[in-house]
Amino acid sequence: NAGVTQTPKFRILKIGQSMTLQCTQDMNHNYMYWYRQDPGMGLKLIYYSVGAGITDKGEVPNGYNVSRSTTEDFPLRLELAAPSQTSVYFCASKTGLYYEQYFGPGTRLTVT
Amino acid sequence: KNEVEQSPQNLTAQEGEFITINCSYSVGISALHWLQQHPGGGIVSLFMLSSGKKKHGRLIATINIQEKHSSLHITASHPRDSAVYICAVHPSGSRLTFGEGTQLTVNP
Repeated sequence: NAGVTQTPKFRILKIGQSMTLQCTQDMNHNYMYWYRQDPGMGLKLIYYSVGAGITDKGEVPNGYNVSRSTTEDFPLRLELAAPSQTSVYFCASKTGLYYEQYFGPGTRLTVT
Repeated sequence: KNEVEQSPQNLTAQEGEFITINCSYSVGISALHWLQQHPGGGIVSLFMLSSGKKKHGRLIATINIQEKHSSLHITASHPRDSAVYICAVHPSGSRLTFGEGTQLTVNP
């Protein structure tokens, strides 16, 4: 199993550009999450999904959108990138409610 | 005040020392997680516990639900243990709440 994969690893965006961060898991997990991690801060939840077709907002959803059309994929869309979205983004998944989360390697995004 | 507080924020130890990292939380929880973030950025789950104590190799995690407190212990620390250790709590539902992490450096 590849586990949780994220692409790209690094990206530099100009203000106002858009992009999609890809996340795929091959463990047939129902629960998937997007977090951002700012320097020296804890992980903040952006969006999450408890199954295909179901998504919900986390703590910091503004400026982002998600979709979950399949169990495997959970892309995160940034529209009109802003410098405040400069961060490291982690995708994670788990099989059930009270189970450990498996994290992807992260995407380092810089908006200038 | 954060719902999850970790102490210390930074910890430097000599190889071989016994290390304790603490986590206090202010909400009722169903489970607590300890995670390790490597210097390269990758995050792995170390423990999930809802009561008592768990041990894996040189790592031990304990939780006291009544006192809303958990500790992560590392015995016979080694430079390869240098990482950020993150406490996260599972109040209810599908979401975790994370502490800000403890940066551990173990010197040879």
